[in-house]
Amino acid sequence: DAGVIQSPRHEVTEMGQEVTLRCKPISGHNSLFWYRQTMMRGLELLIYFNNNVPIDDSGMPEDRFSAKMPNASFSTLKIQPSEPRDSAVYFCASNRQGVAYNEQFFGPGTRLTVL
Amino acid sequence: RKEVEQDPGPFNVPEGATVAFNCTYSNSASQSFFWYRQDCRKEPKLLMSVYSSGNEDGRFTAQLNRASQYISLLIRDSKLSDSATYLCVVNPPTTSGTYKYIFGTGTRLKVLA
Repeated sequence: DAGVIQSPRHEVTEMGQEVTLRCKPISGHNSLFWYRQTMMRGLELLIYFNNNVPIDDSGMPEDRFSAKMPNASFSTLKIQPSEPRDSAVYFCASNRQGVAYNEQFFGPGTRLTVL
Repeated sequence: RKEVEQDPGPFNVPEGATVAFNCTYSNSASQSFFWYRQDCRKEPKLLMSVYSSGNEDGRFTAQLNRASQYISLLIRDSKLSDSATYLCVVNPPTTSGTYKYIFGTGTRLKVLA
């Protein structure tokens, strides 16, 4: 299995630009999670989906952030407009829901720098 | 109070030492618990799950104390390769019946030669 795939791996953009991060979960997994990691705040859960439906988006920082999962094999996280404080590593993870001790599998992350 | 709290460290220990980390969680109804390991500039990976009865995997032992709401990780005979950040993870209850994962900020371990 290829594991969770994220693209791009690195993104450098200027303040005010739109940024789209992409994720392909592991085939057969029905839950997908977006996290943001910074030195100051650690790994924060932004939003997660179950069977392509958003379940909890309480971690999304503000309206500039949006996430979609149009099908079981693809999700996007969009930031519009981007700001320097959005600079972080964004991870996508997936697993199979339904059992308490199911392991989450993470993608390699997208390192975002907003100038 | 944060949902999951960890001492950020760093813990600097010599090779062969035994080191222990604790993690506290705020929601007493949390259902399952994990330790993940994260190497520098890499993604987190599952180290071990933490069961109510405690569990051991080689040099690693994890324990859960529900009464005091903390979990612990003990590493015996530390190796240089154990140097990493250790993330405590908790499943708090949800109204949807699904599982969400809340991570602590991590404890950094450096094993010195």
